[in-house]
Amino acid sequence: DGGITQSPKYLFRKEGQNVTLSCEQNLNHDAMYWYRQDPGQGLRLIYYSQIVNDFQKGDIAEGYSVSREKKESFPLTVTSAQKNPTAFYLCASSKAGELFFGEGSRLTVL
Amino acid sequence: AQTVTQSQPEMSVQEAETVTLSCTYDTSESDYYLFWYKQPPSRQMILVIRQEAYKQQNATENRFSVNFQKAAKSFSLKISDSQLGDAAMYFCAYRRGSNYQLIWGAGTKLIIKP
Repeated sequence: DGGITQSPKYLFRKEGQNVTLSCEQNLNHDAMYWYRQDPGQGLRLIYYSQIVNDFQKGDIAEGYSVSREKKESFPLTVTSAQKNPTAFYLCASSKAGELFFGEGSRLTVL
Repeated sequence: AQTVTQSQPEMSVQEAETVTLSCTYDTSESDYYLFWYKQPPSRQMILVIRQEAYKQQNATENRFSVNFQKAAKSFSLKISDSQLGDAAMYFCAYRRGSNYQLIWGAGTKLIIKP
């Protein structure tokens, strides 16, 4: 079945460590997105990519990095520079403006 | 700047009854889209319904319908015949017509009482 796969579902990290969240889609969508979700807040855009080898910062890009070497893949790295990385992270892809989401990854920094 | 406001952090409804979730937005654009997304406990975000601003007719999807008041910048979601499976966080979102970035409300938690 077509869809978006995020892994891992749960991840624990020690302070000072970088961690990479995986996002893969087989929907043949050009655009992909990373959102951060915190309790009591709407989704906030971290990075997005409209096409392979190109990506733009969203509203809260500081402390994060991405790559888009393949159409299917848009990994997100949470670096040690991110001051408050504990959150739920959602990846999405879009076609004709409609977003399709993965199941999310919960990152906890110990 | 565009903003989306959901003034109800939590709502509850008896099973089989009707509930309305509120959403207001602020924009100076004339071409835009509005969405309601559902996020059940599984956490995967699912599109419930969308509305194009240029359409006067309110969108409907089975038990879900919207009341789109463009002049008032209001976009409420009505859920009829509420079911236990409707329990979730509901997010209202806005998108400019020429831009794929969504702006999200803070969400409303819907509780269904059996």
